[in-house]
Amino acid sequence: GAVVSQHPSWVICKSGTSVKIECRSLDFQATTMFWYRQFPKQSLMLMATSNEGSKATYEQGVEKDKFLINHASLTLSTLTVTSAHPEDSSFYICSARAVTGENQPQHFGDGTRLSIL
Amino acid sequence: GEDVEQSLFLSVREGDSSVINCTYTDSSSTYLYWYKQEPGAGLQLLTYIFSNMDMKQDQRLTVLLNKKDKHLSLRIADTQTGDSAIYFCAPNSGAGSYQLTFGKGTKLSVIP
Repeated sequence: GAVVSQHPSWVICKSGTSVKIECRSLDFQATTMFWYRQFPKQSLMLMATSNEGSKATYEQGVEKDKFLINHASLTLSTLTVTSAHPEDSSFYICSARAVTGENQPQHFGDGTRLSIL
Repeated sequence: GEDVEQSLFLSVREGDSSVINCTYTDSSSTYLYWYKQEPGAGLQLLTYIFSNMDMKQDQRLTVLLNKKDKHLSLRIADTQTGDSAIYFCAPNSGAGSYQLTFGKGTKLSVIP
């Protein structure tokens, strides 16, 4: 149980393109989903927290107009990197937390490697 | 905010035990998680411990928590080559918080 699917797994595109990444909880409902960015050999940096039906909460230094997050249902959140540039190249990982229970850990997707040329 | 520190590298021989250590700063953390990341993949939840516990064992995994010293460890018994990965310690950001703070991760290399 607790499977999170993230698509696409790898994207290569030209500078200026917008890229959408999907994060789905397959066998549970997720009130809260998280989006992280991971640089090579580094830890995970939380970008934003999204709750179903409300606006995402962005961490300090993360541009909300650059990284658009939509959490329209209890099983789907999307991250759109708008007008991507080479410095946006990174590994993006989502996680989802189930609706019920006090101790519900975050379950992670397999990540999306984004390469901007 | 919370700071989480881990050793960056650990190398062990196949069949030996591995011990990965973690220190954190926020004494209000209530749940402390261990995740495993294989190359190019997301994070896999391994185990967790609640802050009122000292020890938790789950098959080959043993988690020890010293709340006074804010020290957490993960012991892997009979380490196998398939255990080679990066291991992240991730305490939550206080009671009722869903956010996690991740250490830089410990890269475990298992020598056949």
